[in-house]
Amino acid sequence: IQMTQSPSTLSASVGDRVTITCRASQPVSGWLAWYQQKPGQAPNLLIYKASILKSGVPSRFSGSGSRTEFTLTISSLQAGDFATYYCQQYSFFGQGTKVEIK
Amino acid sequence: VQLREWGPGLVRPSGTLSLTCDVSDGSINSSYWWNWVRQPPGRGLEWIGEIYHSGSTNYNPSLKSRVTMSVDTSKNHFTLKMSSVTAADTAVYYCGRVDSTSWHVDPWGRGTLVTVSS
Repeated sequence: IQMTQSPSTLSASVGDRVTITCRASQPVSGWLAWYQQKPGQAPNLLIYKASILKSGVPSRFSGSGSRTEFTLTISSLQAGDFATYYCQQYSFFGQGTKVEIK
Repeated sequence: VQLREWGPGLVRPSGTLSLTCDVSDGSINSSYWWNWVRQPPGRGLEWIGEIYHSGSTNYNPSLKSRVTMSVDTSKNHFTLKMSSVTAADTAVYYCGRVDSTSWHVDPWGRGTLVTVSS
């Protein structure tokens, strides 16, 4: 299985709505997770089972999708959200999407 | 639960990388899989493998010939050994706990950088 994220890099401004897509090379279960990673830090779980928000994660983050296409949406980008985001299905990670300041 | 990786930060080429992940504020004897993930500098995440408290393991097929994981329930920690290392194995190595009901990694350790160099 390959997990392909798009875009690889995304330039956005504070307040923007941001969507990151994760596509699987074949239909997968709904056990899709999203992580945020900031420089020098370990990844941090945001969403699991495709759409369940981890406790304590701001509600501006949301996840959706099934089978081969999943999305992570940030409804209103905040300064602390500039980071790299990864999707994961079992032992397979996407290559990451860097969200940078426009 | 908290996880902390530790071990030598420098390994010689062709040598064996050895890391330990201490589990605190929780028991390794629980219904979770204990995982290793690595990240080469400036690159993405790569799954290395996992171990259950019973000793059952699953490894990344691309690394399987060089990787051995073990668990010590009396010390509440698990270990990673990777043999015949090269510069391509230079990376930050993370340990993490995986919920087998939904297969997400949480929490993660802070990570430890291992450099392969002579």
